[in-house]
Amino acid sequence: QKEVEQDPGPLSVPEGAIVSLNCTYSNSAFQYFMWYRQYSRKGPELLMYTYSSGNKEDGRFTAQVDKSSKYISLFIRDSQPSDSATYLCAPPRGFQKLVFGTGTRLLVSP
Amino acid sequence: NAGVTQTPKFQVLKTGQSMTLQCAQDMNHNSMYWYRQDPGMGLRLIYYSASEGTTDKGEVPNGYNVSRLNKREFSLRLESAAPSQTSVYFCASRYAGTGEQYFGPGTRLTVT
Repeated sequence: QKEVEQDPGPLSVPEGAIVSLNCTYSNSAFQYFMWYRQYSRKGPELLMYTYSSGNKEDGRFTAQVDKSSKYISLFIRDSQPSDSATYLCAPPRGFQKLVFGTGTRLLVSP
Repeated sequence: NAGVTQTPKFQVLKTGQSMTLQCAQDMNHNSMYWYRQDPGMGLRLIYYSASEGTTDKGEVPNGYNVSRLNKREFSLRLESAAPSQTSVYFCASRYAGTGEQYFGPGTRLTVT
């Protein structure tokens, strides 16, 4: 079993929809979680991070962690075509490393 | 501010050829990383360097070597390329304050 799992998608939605992207993890030691966004043919960039309890909101994006079920969600409100990208869940392992999920590809159509 | 830069952007090699992928960062970060990204496999860590003068193996180090030339530069060498090394290679550096890793634009490598 992989430590971090994501549905690869693609997830196709119309512009303006609320999007839910999900990630499950198996390692209880993970303390906080990063979401990276990767546009096609580009390197990943950090979107937001959240600690292993509760929600964190940043503009149209909300990250939510359910530690009891080891389930992480990223919600995007009022989705835009510019949100079309792959979203990677990445908890840190120890001090130096990140454990990346395979990512979920999102397509937002105008 | 360039961030993380990688050269070359694209490369085609024949099986058995060697090459070095170059990476540099101008953010004064101590830690640097090399990943490969393959469809359905996500980002997999090849090697990392926690500080100048140190390197450690990651998840998939076989067939690769690295050199941390100085604080800015971290190179990845393929001594004898194989078709299984066809991939997109990303270099990253880490900001110690938050743990965020900053990625370069990637090198698309094809081995025929």
